[in-house]
Amino acid sequence: RKEVEQDPGPFNVPEGATVAFNCTYSNSASQSFFWYRQDCRKEPKLLMSVYSSGNEDGRFTAQLNRASQYISLLIRDSKLSDSATYLCVVMDSSYKLIFGSGTRLLVRP
Amino acid sequence: EPEVTQTPSHQVTQMGQEVILRCVPISNHLYFYWYRQILGQKVEFLVSFYNNEISEKSEIFDDQFSVERPDGSNFTLKIRSTKLEDSAMYFCASSEKGWYSNQPQHFGDGTRLSIL
Repeated sequence: RKEVEQDPGPFNVPEGATVAFNCTYSNSASQSFFWYRQDCRKEPKLLMSVYSSGNEDGRFTAQLNRASQYISLLIRDSKLSDSATYLCVVMDSSYKLIFGSGTRLLVRP
Repeated sequence: EPEVTQTPSHQVTQMGQEVILRCVPISNHLYFYWYRQILGQKVEFLVSFYNNEISEKSEIFDDQFSVERPDGSNFTLKIRSTKLEDSAMYFCASSEKGWYSNQPQHFGDGTRLSIL
């Protein structure tokens, strides 16, 4: 089983749509969770940390289910500028970041 | 907003040559990291560094790799004898605090290393 698993997509949605990405992780001892976005050939940029209680930042909502080892990201009212690859990232029990392969989002006009 | 800076942006090197990739982490950060991303693949952890020593390293980080903080601002990754498979994007990252704080890591814009 992959350490961090994501649907690669692409998710192709119209502007204004709501889209959700899911991610599962294998190490139950993982402590910290993040969503990063990566534009083509650019560095990963932090989108948001993910907390057990769930958290929201504008149009973005992240949820964590430790029992199911499942993380989600919801994007409301998609913008063209949201087109990117979304990386699910887990800090493992050795305190290093483990990246998923990413989910590609394409927002069309 | 403070940022991690990396130089050069692109490095082309002959196989077998040594290469040094440079990074200037965010000034008040204490934890430093190197990652790499082979084209079309996921980002992979190489090494973490704190208090002038390696904290953790991956299987990729073999004897050909080394890291150093030669002064108060730079953090370098050296590959002693490059191989074709070292061709990748190398990202430096830093964080203010370590794992225990749930602090995210901030990434530089990367050095594209091409081995010929």
